Formats: sequence, C-alpha cells, structure tokens
Amino acid sequence: NAGVTQTPKFQVLKTGQSMTLQCAQDMNHNSMYWYRQDPGMGLRLIYYSASEGTTDKGEVPNGYNVSRLNKREFSLRLESAAPSQTSVYFCASSTLDRPRVFGPGTRLTVL
Amino acid sequence: KQEVTQIPAALSVPEGENLVLNCSFTDSAIYNLQWFRQDPGKGLTSLLLIQSSQREQTSGRLNASLDKSSGRSTLYIAASQPGDSATYLCAVDSNYQLIWGAGTKLIIKP
Repeated sequence: NAGVTQTPKFQVLKTGQSMTLQCAQDMNHNSMYWYRQDPGMGLRLIYYSASEGTTDKGEVPNGYNVSRLNKREFSLRLESAAPSQTSVYFCASSTLDRPRVFGPGTRLTVL
Repeated sequence: KQEVTQIPAALSVPEGENLVLNCSFTDSAIYNLQWFRQDPGKGLTSLLLIQSSQREQTSGRLNASLDKSSGRSTLYIAASQPGDSATYLCAVDSNYQLIWGAGTKLIIKP
C-alpha cells in the first residue's frame, strides 16, 4: 500500500516547454486533487476530480490542464511553462469524511 | 470568499512546554477543518480532522478544537518535544475546496 505517489520528484524546465506531472493512488479513493505551494502562502487548489470521469477547476487553474485517466491516476499538464509556475506541486486523494492523503510533492523550477 | 489565517507565523519554545496554535476562518459554512504537519522539503501529514458537527478531536499529545460560530480552531500540543518542530497548517474544507492557512512554523528548542 504505497498511498499517493508522484513523479517526478524534481524537474527543471525552460520557459515554453511542456510537461506532465503524474499522480497515482492505491487506496481506492474517489476524489483526487492537485495543489501548488508557494513560499509564504498556503496551498492553492489547481484542479480536482470528485470522481472518475469528472474534473473541475480550483482556485488557480490558468496554465494547467488535468486528466483523470482512471480511478487511480490523475495527471497535471503544463502546456507552455512560465516562470510563475515555479512551485512545489502536491497531489492528494480522499474519500468522503476522511482527511486528504498527500503525495511527497514535485519541486518544479521554470527558468 | 473563505479566508483562513494562522497566528503566529512562527513560534519558538523550549522543550516540555504546552503550546497553542491558532487558526481563524471567515465563513462558518464548513464541512470540516483539518490540521496538517509539514516537515521541510516533505509532503503533508494529516494530524486531526474535526467534522463541522464536532467540537474537538484528540490524538496522543495533540488536541484540536473547533468553534464554528466564532470562526476559530486551536491546536494544543502538550509537553512539546524537538521532534514536534515543523510547520503546522490549518485547512477548511468547503465542498471539495480545501482552503489553507499559510502555516505556523514551530521550533522546539532542546
């Protein structure tokens, strides 16, 4: 039982490059989330998926797209990376009434 | 719009002291409130979850309270230890939207 796994752990991109962050959970959770964390700020929700087949925008969706590939996997794509997207990205999953379980994070730097 | 504030932003206390971390929120229409711990360069660990109908939750040396009417929650840590040093985050859950405070960075001095 690995919980929530994220790949990669670290990534450096140049402005304009694209990449996909991968997230998978093995807890049979219905809901999955993508957050970003910036210094001095709380986590901010980018996108979430309440259940397989659905996705919704969070607080800061601009510049990102997501895919809920199946119940286990929820990916986050940056089509054209910008320096403002330098951040730590966390994926999480949950079921109703239970705390979110977070992955270890992906530290992304955009030059 | 829900806003979550944590005070203080940083706290340094000697080992063994009892301490209280504060969290306030602006909209009382919440589903639950959660406290998390984050170690430097690491992910987040859930500590306690309080449902909107509950007043407090306890886990070991940790006790979290919730007063929805005043928009406040406190995290009480008893007999603090150096291993408690971390950033503590409060988050309010409103319909899948988990709104976060900026955290309190706690340092326990041996």
